[in-house]
Amino acid sequence: RKEVEQDPGPFNVPEGATVAFNCTYSNSASQSFFWYRQDCRKEPKLLMSVYSSGNEDGRFTAQLNRASQYISLLIRDSKLSDSATYLCVVNKPSNTGKLIFGQGTTLQVKP
Amino acid sequence: SAVISQKPSRDICQRGTSLTIQCQVDSQVTMMFWYRQQPGQSLTLIATANQGSEATYESGFVIDKFPISRPNLTFSTLTVSNMSPEDSSIYLCSVVTGGGQPQHFGDGTRLSIL
Repeated sequence: RKEVEQDPGPFNVPEGATVAFNCTYSNSASQSFFWYRQDCRKEPKLLMSVYSSGNEDGRFTAQLNRASQYISLLIRDSKLSDSATYLCVVNKPSNTGKLIFGQGTTLQVKP
Repeated sequence: SAVISQKPSRDICQRGTSLTIQCQVDSQVTMMFWYRQQPGQSLTLIATANQGSEATYESGFVIDKFPISRPNLTFSTLTVSNMSPEDSSIYLCSVVTGGGQPQHFGDGTRLSIL
């Protein structure tokens, strides 16, 4: 089983749609969770951290379910510029600072 | 967040040669990492660059192939040695500025081996 699993997609949605990505992680001791965005041929950039209580940043909402070891990202009112690969990222326990990256979910927003 | 400069941004190299990639940060950081991202794949951690001591390598990566230096808290290098076409990839450095903080990435080095 992969340490972080995501549906690779692609998700093809029209502008204005709401889309949700899911991610599961295998190590229950992980404590830090993030969503990164990676545009084609660019470096990953932090989109948002994910907190236990859930958090929102504009059109983006992240949720964490520790019991199910499940993380989600919801994008409302999709824009063409949201087209990218979204990486679910989890810390490796034991305080090494290391992160484990999912394979990414590709989103294509179409006009 | 920290400004991370990585160079070269891209290179095309001959098989059997070596290339050194530099990562410079504009402020002191606690941790620096080197990743590889092969075409169509996610990121794979190569090693943690330790300041003043040998890097800590992940399974499948060895110092002879990927020697790493980190002479201070703002700079690190990764060398890809004796390159073969299988080493064609994007190489990324990342930094952490504090405990529990996310990593931030340099622009990456796109390496092609002929």
